[in-house]
Amino acid sequence: QKEVEQDPGPLSVPEGAIVSLNCTYSNSAFQYFMWYRQYSRKGPELLMYTYSSGNKEDGRFTAQVDKSSKYISLFIRDSQPSDSATYLCAMSYTGGFKTIFGAGTRLFVKA
Amino acid sequence: GAVVSQHPSRVICKSGTSVKIECRSLDFQATTMFWYRQFPKQSLMLMATSNEGSKATYEQGVEKDKFLINHASLTLSTLTVTSAHPEDSSFYICSARVPGVADTQYFGPGTRLTVL
Repeated sequence: QKEVEQDPGPLSVPEGAIVSLNCTYSNSAFQYFMWYRQYSRKGPELLMYTYSSGNKEDGRFTAQVDKSSKYISLFIRDSQPSDSATYLCAMSYTGGFKTIFGAGTRLFVKA
Repeated sequence: GAVVSQHPSRVICKSGTSVKIECRSLDFQATTMFWYRQFPKQSLMLMATSNEGSKATYEQGVEKDKFLINHASLTLSTLTVTSAHPEDSSFYICSARVPGVADTQYFGPGTRLTVL
């Protein structure tokens, strides 16, 4: 079993839709949870990070962490074609040295 | 946000030659940098962790003699692919951990290596 599971998609939605991206994990020691966006042939860009459980909102993006279920989500409201990219979840633990990445979900937002 | 640059962005070389890729943190000092490899439509594969002033820590299965990493300063880490072969063709991405900012990493734009 992988430490972090993420559905690779692809996920295709119409413009304006609410997008839900998810990851599950098995290591209960994870404390830091990140979402990265990666456009084709570019390096990943940090979108959001959360420490421990709870929600965090930034513009059209909302990150949720449910440690009891070992489940994290990224919601994108009013999705735009420019949101079309691969979204990677990532997590690590306090004092840990390595960040574990999900496989990435490819998102396509159709105009 | 923190900016990480990589150079070159793209390189094509002949089999048997060595290629050096530079990774720089532009507006912060990075005691720890990471080197990743990414195949098409796949996620990031951590190759090694580079600490300033000490030897890099390589992941299992990564040949340290083939992928030489040097982290000579707080703003620069280099990856040298020695005696490159076509199977080394890939997208190489570096990242740097920002001190005091949770446990986040900021990534460079990546280097596309093609070995003929």
